[in-house]
Amino acid sequence: KAGVTQTPRYLIKTRGQQVTLSCSPISGHRSVSWYQQTPGQGLQFLFEYFSETQRNKGNFPGRFSGRQFSNSRSEMNVSTLELGDSALYLCASSSQGLETQYFGPGTRLLVL
Amino acid sequence: AQSVSQHNHHVILSEAASLELGCNYSYGGTVNLFWYVQYPGQHLQLLLKYFSGDPLVKGIKGFEAEFIKSKFSFNLRKPSVQWSDTAEYFCAVIIPGSGNTGKLIFGQGTTLQVKP
Repeated sequence: KAGVTQTPRYLIKTRGQQVTLSCSPISGHRSVSWYQQTPGQGLQFLFEYFSETQRNKGNFPGRFSGRQFSNSRSEMNVSTLELGDSALYLCASSSQGLETQYFGPGTRLLVL
Repeated sequence: AQSVSQHNHHVILSEAASLELGCNYSYGGTVNLFWYVQYPGQHLQLLLKYFSGDPLVKGIKGFEAEFIKSKFSFNLRKPSVQWSDTAEYFCAVIIPGSGNTGKLIFGQGTTLQVKP
């Protein structure tokens, strides 16, 4: 079974731009979660989608948004990028929810 | 606010030494607890989890963890570490929300370096 895939793997943007990251879950998984990992803040939960609906949300500003498609693929969008948004963004999928998640390799975003 | 604390940020051990990584969480209700591991260059992966029942749970690669409810702790242990255990270890907790919702909160992580 193929694992969770994330594209692109690396991205460089400038302040003020917006970015869209993509996540393809393991086949059959309906839950997709997103996390931000930085050296200073560690791993922080962004949001979870299940069957195209946002089910859980972390404490991030509205510039961070996401969506999930009918095939369970998910995208995360960050608008008006700030330097502090530089991070590794991880996606995880599971069949039901947060209990047993499988993580992807991440997208490393650098904001200049 | 709910949080997860990992006491050790960086641990250095020699092979065959015993390991214990501390994890405490701040939430008074029922929680689901996890330890994740990230080996160098690899994806984050689940090491073990506790939902209910026996508070001593066994995971992959000889790891185990003990849930002590009265101490809000979920410490990770391994009797004898190997060089291949060099990795970053994360404790995590699901804090339930309303209905079938919740948030997965991670600790800051502990970097374990095992010297051959």
